[in-house]
Amino acid sequence: NAGVMQNPRHLVRRRGQEARLRCSPMKGHSHVYWYRQLPEEGLKFMVYLQKENIIDESGMPKERFSAEFPKEGPSILRIQQVVRGDSAAYFCASQTGTGGHYEQYFGPGTRLTVT
Amino acid sequence: AQTVTQSQPEMSVQEAETVTLSCTYDTSESDYYLFWYKQPPSRQMILVIRQEAYKQQNATENRFSVNFQKAAKSFSLKISDSQLGDAAMYFCAYRRGIQGAQKLVFGQGTRLTINP
Repeated sequence: NAGVMQNPRHLVRRRGQEARLRCSPMKGHSHVYWYRQLPEEGLKFMVYLQKENIIDESGMPKERFSAEFPKEGPSILRIQQVVRGDSAAYFCASQTGTGGHYEQYFGPGTRLTVT
Repeated sequence: AQTVTQSQPEMSVQEAETVTLSCTYDTSESDYYLFWYKQPPSRQMILVIRQEAYKQQNATENRFSVNFQKAAKSFSLKISDSQLGDAAMYFCAYRRGIQGAQKLVFGQGTRLTINP
């Protein structure tokens, strides 16, 4: 059973370009979380999605950031018009059900560098 | 809002010795979970140990154990017989127990160095 997959692992974008980060959850998992880790900091929650629904986006910046988790295919975190401050590692995690007792399984992360 | 604080940015220990990493948290809820995650240089987040708040017994996983003090809102991690492979960033995390509010809240992390 493959783990959580994220691609690309490394992404370099120039200021003003768009970044698309993909997350394929573990098989059978319909819940996805996105977290951001700035250098030398802990992970910060961004958004929680179930298939075709955004459940909690309280950690998402108001502008330029969006996320989706379609019925088919991976979850996408999209950052428009990237700025240097967006440089970070972006992790997704998936879980099989709803409830605090379910473990979140993390992907390897995507390291975004904005030049 | 819940917060998690790790007051030790860095810790070091001699190989084969024991080290304790500290974590405190703030919450007004009674149903929650606490976790310790390890992040080696590969950046992969690895779950080390979890503790359910309703359980009085401290969780243990091989060389890893916790000291959960619910009244003091303290959740420390003890690593016994430290090994070189234990070197990593360690993050304490909190999660509410109720459905629909399951994001993890992380502390700032503690960088653990193992001296051979």
